[in-house]
Amino acid sequence: GDSVTQMEGPVTLSEEAFLTINCTYTATGYPSLFWYVQYPGEGLQLLLKATKADDKGSNKGFEATYRKETTSFHLEKGSVQVSDSAVYFCALSHPANAGKSTFGDGTTLTVKP
Amino acid sequence: DAGVIQSPRHEVTEMGQEVTLRCKPISGHNSLFWYRQTMMRGLELLIYFNNNVPIDDSGMPEDRFSAKMPNASFSTLKIQPSEPRDSAVYFCASSPMRKNTGELFFGEGSRLTVL
Repeated sequence: GDSVTQMEGPVTLSEEAFLTINCTYTATGYPSLFWYVQYPGEGLQLLLKATKADDKGSNKGFEATYRKETTSFHLEKGSVQVSDSAVYFCALSHPANAGKSTFGDGTTLTVKP
Repeated sequence: DAGVIQSPRHEVTEMGQEVTLRCKPISGHNSLFWYRQTMMRGLELLIYFNNNVPIDDSGMPEDRFSAKMPNASFSTLKIQPSEPRDSAVYFCASSPMRKNTGELFFGEGSRLTVL
């Protein structure tokens, strides 16, 4: 079955540092890939997505590229802010399966001033 | 537009009591999902519906859990009787299946504490 593996956390960075959170996946076919973010006390919200190989999703300074050859979708940001502190989830979905998603375990990011 | 609306936001109950969690999906979304989040097990899919019909309930932990979707704008997740190990945050999410984006729209969750 499908699976998503994220780098283990927690991750602690200083403000303006470079961020990478690794995500690899195992799936048949051509799933869509997502990064969701969860701020304290809130539900998950979509951060960015990519629906086919070599697509780059981007939002709020975050980027991730769909790499089929390495089955990866690593999340990056060039300069993090304190407000980026949250839990980040990598996920995949087969649209033909009505959006049923497989999530990674989540990576907690703390950014210190 | 209103997002996914869940109620109650917080529920504290005693072991053995019945708990009902409610969800109103985004209008026009025809897939609905119930997830449970705990520190130990992360995010678990409990059940999902397409066009109000339960498609996969393999994630429902046991017979104490049941979910219904009587119409396109309302779903419930019921736990009877509740146990302390059911303490978690329960999320409802909806998706516009017709557009096949795969993106999920989550509510803010219902935090359940069973004493």
